[in-house]
Amino acid sequence: QSALTQPASVSGSPGQSITISCTGTNSDVGGYNYVSWYQQHPGKAPKLMIYDVNNRPSGVSNRFSGSKSGNTASLTISGLQAEDEADYYCSSYTSRYTWVFGGGTKLTVL
Amino acid sequence: EVQLLESGGGLVQPGGSLRLSCAASGFTFSNYAMSWVRQAPGKGLEWVSAIRGSVSGTYCADSVKGRFTISRDNSKNTLYLQMNSLRAEDTAVYYCAKGRLEWLSDSDYWGQGTLVTVSS
Repeated sequence: QSALTQPASVSGSPGQSITISCTGTNSDVGGYNYVSWYQQHPGKAPKLMIYDVNNRPSGVSNRFSGSKSGNTASLTISGLQAEDEADYYCSSYTSRYTWVFGGGTKLTVL
Repeated sequence: EVQLLESGGGLVQPGGSLRLSCAASGFTFSNYAMSWVRQAPGKGLEWVSAIRGSVSGTYCADSVKGRFTISRDNSKNTLYLQMNSLRAEDTAVYYCAKGRLEWLSDSDYWGQGTLVTVSS
């Protein structure tokens, strides 16, 4: 199972919005609405930010939103804050009863 | 409060075996799927294996199929990962993660991880 494709890095200034893409295939992202996004700060465990494409767990800021079109899912962070600087990973359920992660995107807040 | 505490990591020689454990508390363990996810040093996340809450069902990545076995003891609120025929490329931090649902679920809580190093 190949990893989902994410940009290696994105950056933005405080207050701006950024979008991270996550491209898969019809057998994962495009075939199911089971796409999730995780935030990971250095040396810390991942944190669930979005599940089922566009749902936020309790406690996650509404500055985080998710969407999907075809085989590509996206995470948008609006009103960037310094604390948003982290690595972000997408994940999708697959037709082989497995899960697959993206390669990860490093977000830098300028 | 949900807590997941991994143990069992360490240094092992190539071809060796190791069993990881994850002690869970703060939720009804048998109601939720559980997963193992690993992260090699400086690399991204890799899904390893998952197990359903109370119904039979285990699943694993091709990279560990035939070598790793996931299991759980709902009476002890503990998740396990038996790792055999270990290779250098299995070196990683192994995270235990709680599913948000009984199955077909992402992971809403994660442990702090346990480091497995495969080296001679």
